[in-house]
Amino acid sequence: DAGVIQSPRHEVTEMGQEVTLRCKPISGHDYLFWYRQTMMRGLELLIYFNNNVPIDDSGMPEDRFSAKMPNASFSTLKIQPSEPRDSAVYFCASSSTSGRTGLNNEQFFGPGTRLTVL
Amino acid sequence: AQTVTQSQPEMSVQEAETVTLSCTYDTSESNYYLFWYKQPPSRQMILVIRQEAYKQQNATENRFSVNFQKAAKSFSLKISDSQLGDTAMYFCASKTSYDKVIFGPGTSLSVIP
Repeated sequence: DAGVIQSPRHEVTEMGQEVTLRCKPISGHDYLFWYRQTMMRGLELLIYFNNNVPIDDSGMPEDRFSAKMPNASFSTLKIQPSEPRDSAVYFCASSSTSGRTGLNNEQFFGPGTRLTVL
Repeated sequence: AQTVTQSQPEMSVQEAETVTLSCTYDTSESNYYLFWYKQPPSRQMILVIRQEAYKQQNATENRFSVNFQKAAKSFSLKISDSQLGDTAMYFCASKTSYDKVIFGPGTSLSVIP
């Protein structure tokens, strides 16, 4: 398996523009997570999905942020309009539910998208 | 609510020496997982080791081992025979069943040749 795939790896945009980040989870994983990492705030969970359904979006900072998961193999995180303070590394991660106990196992992270908003 | 605390923002260790990274957590659940993730300069998050709370035996993965003190809610990571490639940010994390993973703020480890 290729692991979690994120695109683009780097994105530079101007303030006010729309930004869309993409993620392909590991095949068969039923959980998908979006994180943001900055020096000031560390690693923050933005939203996570289970079986394509958003479970907890309490970490989404503002209405400018939205996430979708139209199917089991694809998710997007959109920022509209983008602002300089959105500059960060955005990670996507996926995991699968342990069949025996129902507990999730480790999260597998993608390589991240470094977003710079000028 | 779960919380994870790492009280050491930065640490350094001489190559081939042993270093211990501290982590404390708080949860009201009786069944949970604990993890240590490594993030090298490449930014890739890599699982180093994990511990199931119901197991009393401390997890070990080659040069990496944990000291899991359930009553004290402590989960430290010991790295033996430190290597230059161990230089990275290390994140402690906890997870209860059907819930999200909570990460600590991280400890930046530098291995000095």
